[in-house]
Amino acid sequence: AQRVTQPEKLLSVFKGAPVELKCNYSYSGSPELFWYVQYSRQRLQLLLRHISRESIKGFTADLNKGETSFHLKKPFAQEEDSAMYYCALVGAGSARQLTFGSGTQLTVLP
Amino acid sequence: GAGVSQSPRYKVAKRGQDVALRCDPISGHVSLFWYQQALGQGPEFLTYFQNEAQLDKSGLPSDRFFAERPEGSVSTLKIQRTQQEDSAVYLCASSRLSGGLAGELFFGEGSRLTVL
Repeated sequence: AQRVTQPEKLLSVFKGAPVELKCNYSYSGSPELFWYVQYSRQRLQLLLRHISRESIKGFTADLNKGETSFHLKKPFAQEEDSAMYYCALVGAGSARQLTFGSGTQLTVLP
Repeated sequence: GAGVSQSPRYKVAKRGQDVALRCDPISGHVSLFWYQQALGQGPEFLTYFQNEAQLDKSGLPSDRFFAERPEGSVSTLKIQRTQQEDSAVYLCASSRLSGGLAGELFFGEGSRLTVL
């Protein structure tokens, strides 16, 4: 069975500090991993996906198959980064549906 | 509309009532998903449509849950004889590509169901 674990429900950092949101996964095959974000009073939206190897809004995430992790990082947090972040995995089911973690609420303090 | 639209945004039901939640996906999007999000949890998969075909309903928690997308656009999630444990936000998402998550998922704002 596939599973996504986000160990931190809440994370607070000061503006300008580095931030890392942890994500670990359990999946027997080759996973496709994503980070979705939900800003206050907005809908859930895609932030980045590992296959694109892109940086979005200064965030990056590297897939580490050895540690089965896909941590989200940003070197200098901004107040507008405050949001709920969900790590998600696409498995091999017929629908290839997303399996989400329970989310981490990031608060960037001024 | 520009995005995925869901209605009602809020629904309060007495235990035992039937409810129907509507999703209007982005025009032309082939794939449509329903998710259930309990308080403090991430979204959990319920069911998937490719056009009008329901290809996966493995996440539906019981036979009280039923979903349809008869013309391959608007979808309805129906919950019969609601129970308190059905209280959650129900999210609809669509994708322009087939084969499930071949591309980005676009989510609606959700329908928050409270069962008293």
